[in-house]
Amino acid sequence: NAGVTQTPKFRILKIGQSMTLQCAQDMNHNYMYWYRQDPGMGLKLIYYSVGAGITDKGEVPNGYNVSRSTTEDFPLRLELAAPSQTSVYFCASSYSDESGGAFFGQGTRLTVV
Amino acid sequence: QKEVEQNSGPLSVPEGAIASLNCTYSDRVSQSFFWYRQYSGKSPELIMSIYSNGDKEDGRFTAQLNKASQYVSLLIRDSQPSDSATYLCAVNLKTSYDKVIFGPGTSLSVIP
Repeated sequence: NAGVTQTPKFRILKIGQSMTLQCAQDMNHNYMYWYRQDPGMGLKLIYYSVGAGITDKGEVPNGYNVSRSTTEDFPLRLELAAPSQTSVYFCASSYSDESGGAFFGQGTRLTVV
Repeated sequence: QKEVEQNSGPLSVPEGAIASLNCTYSDRVSQSFFWYRQYSGKSPELIMSIYSNGDKEDGRFTAQLNKASQYVSLLIRDSQPSDSATYLCAVNLKTSYDKVIFGPGTSLSVIP
């Protein structure tokens, strides 16, 4: 009963490097989300998807890209990492907005130096 | 105006007291509202959802929704030290696509 699985849990990147944060869910949820959480702050929505092949920008999309080729997977791509992208990243999924809230992965702690 | 607002706290209550957490939102057509609990260093955990005006009770937790006032609250009765956490209010905004926006969170400390 995995739920939402994120990899890696921790990562240190150098400025200008790129990486992909992986997210997979096994609950057959249509909706998936990427959030970032800076220290002492709430969650900011980066991108979301309402189904395979459909993605849209959230509150803070700059510097990130996503794709949703399958229901299960929703990877987040960081291009040209910057110190401002140092944060904890959470992936979440939900069946729909009306059936309940979202289930979260355990998070990825990213540091850009 | 920010889309979802909460008192930042910290809120301190003695053990056994009622903790009251408040949230306001800007989108008048929002229909779905959620409360999450987040322990330090952990991911958010859904504790309550509410969709209709009025109260919804689940154990020691009561969510209250007033759509006319664009206000949702969470009451925690008989507060325990294990309730010490940050509580996040989340609202599903009915824009082009459904998306869930979180408030900044309220830090709660229950003092034994």
